Amino acid sequence: DQQVKQNSPSLSVQEGRISILNCDYTNSMFDYFLWYKKYPAEGPTFLISISSIKDKNEDGRFTVFLNKSAKHLSLHIVPSQPGDSAVYFCAASMDSNYQLIWGAGTKLIIKP
Amino acid sequence: DTAVSQTPKYLVTQMGNDKSIKCEQNLGHDTMYWYKQDSKKFLKIMFSYNNKELIINETVPNRFSPKSPDKAHLNLHINSLELGDSAVYFCASSRLVEEQFFGPGTRLTVL
Repeated sequence: DQQVKQNSPSLSVQEGRISILNCDYTNSMFDYFLWYKKYPAEGPTFLISISSIKDKNEDGRFTVFLNKSAKHLSLHIVPSQPGDSAVYFCAASMDSNYQLIWGAGTKLIIKP
Repeated sequence: DTAVSQTPKYLVTQMGNDKSIKCEQNLGHDTMYWYKQDSKKFLKIMFSYNNKELIINETVPNRFSPKSPDKAHLNLHINSLELGDSAVYFCASSRLVEEQFFGPGTRLTVL
C-alpha cells in the first residue's frame, strides 16, 4: 500500500516556464514533507521541505505547497532551467517515526 | 570532501556469493540508513541505525545483515546473493530523520 504517491512518472517542461510536480499521501499522521532531487548515478539530495503547520514554503526558485485537506503537496519550480532535469522524489515522515516514506519519483525533463 | 561515501560504486558477482558494501559519513550524524532502489525505481528503507543501535529493520531477508562498528559507519553484508538482489543500494545519514544525506549508491549486479 503506497502511502505517498507520485502519479506522473515523467513531466516535460519548456525552459523558462513553470514546472509543477505533484504528490499525494494517504496517511493523515504525516507531519513533515520533503522533496529530493536525484541525478543519474548519484544519490538523492534534499531540496526543500514543509511542516504540516504551514501551507507554503519558498526557497529561491522552488516553492512547496501543502493542502492538508486534500492530502496533496506540490513543488513549483519557476523559472525552469536545464539543470533542473532530474528525478524528483516526494517523501513524508511522522513524529516519533524514524523513517521517511517515499514516492516513486517523477522524472522532470526541461526542454531548451 | 565527500559527506557520505559508499564503496564499491559497482559490484558484479555470481549467485551464491557473499559480498559487503561499506558506508561512511563524516557529517557527525547519529542516524544512518540503507535503502534499496529496485527496478521500478522505488526507494525502500531496509535498515536504520541510531547511535549504533538498530531502530528500523524492514522486511528484509536474513541474508542481509547491517553492521555498525561506530556512528560513522554502517556496512551492509549480503550472504548467498540471489538474482533478485540486483539493485542500487543507497546509504544515507541524518541528524534528524527528515533531511537525509545520501551516498552515491552502489549498483549491485548478480549474475
